[in-house]
Amino acid sequence: DTGVSQNPRHKITKRGQNVTFRCDPISEHNRLYWYRQTLGQGPEFLTYFQNEAQLEKSRLLSDRFSAERPKGSFSTLEIQRTEQGDSAMYLCASENRHQETQYFGPGTRLLVL
Amino acid sequence: AQSVTQPDIHITVSEGASLELRCNYSYGATPYLFWYVQSPGQGLQLLLKYFSGDTLVQGIKGFEAEFKRSQSSFNLRKPSVHWSDAAEYFCAVAPKSGGYQKVTFGTGTKLQVIP
Repeated sequence: DTGVSQNPRHKITKRGQNVTFRCDPISEHNRLYWYRQTLGQGPEFLTYFQNEAQLEKSRLLSDRFSAERPKGSFSTLEIQRTEQGDSAMYLCASENRHQETQYFGPGTRLLVL
Repeated sequence: AQSVTQPDIHITVSEGASLELRCNYSYGATPYLFWYVQSPGQGLQLLLKYFSGDTLVQGIKGFEAEFKRSQSSFNLRKPSVHWSDAAEYFCAVAPKSGGYQKVTFGTGTKLQVIP
């Protein structure tokens, strides 16, 4: 059990560019979550996968955001045409359905200039 | 909708002093309750969780929390704080749905420890 990993850890981009983040969950965790955390706030739910199926998306996830989890393993979160308001920490968490506890990765901090 | 309130944005304690971080939740039934800790620039680490049973829950790093149904509270405590405890602490709730967990977090309490 090596924990949840996320790459990159930091990303600086210019407004209007596309960015993609990757999350590798704990092996055999079939549930995967993405959260966004802005300064001074707790994490906010963005989306949830069970295996490869994306089962819920928050209203926070505008049409510029897309997430995938091919083959039910790693997941990617893409933001198209980034805006300064997208600057935040993006956290990934995975969960074994029997434990009902989410384990978080270190996050990807995005800064949009 | 479920919500979590952490009334203290920032708390300062002396090393060796006791600590209590407050958390109140709003939910129709007793939810699952969690405390996470986040060091600067890092992800969240689970300290402890309450699902059912004994209302006093022990966690890692010497932390404990007590669930009080009548007060809708789940306060985090530690008898003697260490300098390494300086971090941000998040209380969180999730419905006992039996399915996936849409966790709602509080806004966090930042703990400063002074020598």
